[in-house]
Amino acid sequence: GAVVSQHPSWVICKSGTSVKIECRSLDFQATTMFWYRQFPKQSLMLMATSNEGSKATYEQGVEKDKFLINHASLTLSTLTVTSAHPEDSSFYICSARRATDRSEGGYTFGSGTRLTVV
Amino acid sequence: AQSVAQPEDQVNVAEGNPLTVKCTYSVSGNPYLFWYVQYPNRGLQFLLKYITGDNLVKGSYGFEAEFNKSQTSFHLKKPSALVSDSALYFCAVRLSSGNTGKLIFGQGTTLQVKP
Repeated sequence: GAVVSQHPSWVICKSGTSVKIECRSLDFQATTMFWYRQFPKQSLMLMATSNEGSKATYEQGVEKDKFLINHASLTLSTLTVTSAHPEDSSFYICSARRATDRSEGGYTFGSGTRLTVV
Repeated sequence: AQSVAQPEDQVNVAEGNPLTVKCTYSVSGNPYLFWYVQYPNRGLQFLLKYITGDNLVKGSYGFEAEFNKSQTSFHLKKPSALVSDSALYFCAVRLSSGNTGKLIFGQGTTLQVKP
């Protein structure tokens, strides 16, 4: 089946540094990638939607200059948390929507990245 | 506003008993509904979806869900719970407006199956 590889699975960084999270669709083309943030024991909050080759669309309240999203190819999307602060500590999950499965709404999720900013 | 709600934060069942995790939705047009399961520090695993057709949808690991249009519900069920079913469950709806394909998730329900 479709697989999305997300890494790193966990990362600890110092305040003020930047962290990049990658999501790769291994055996399919992902025309759309969604990035979510999840706080402990809470639901997934959609941060942004990115389509290959175009700028990401951010949800209200999400700082686009802080959470940089790049979707340069049909198999790779990255989320960079810039100048990270402890409040950015969270679990980040990507979800790829398959180009050939639009009518069925097929989504494949990455395994998530636990970011801890110290 | 389009939304999905899971009214129970936690559901406790004994192993071998049937389980139900509730979900209600509010969308315009025909809903695309999904159930996902999440284990600690992991991404979401797809269980099942309703797009159209039979109201009873069968999915992975013996789970099923019934789409009820009049009650705007899509409850997740399993006839006999396993301890290994203990996890966090999310109901989600795909927004029908536009073609962005965004999923909106419910709050999540923790299922605890006790031996």
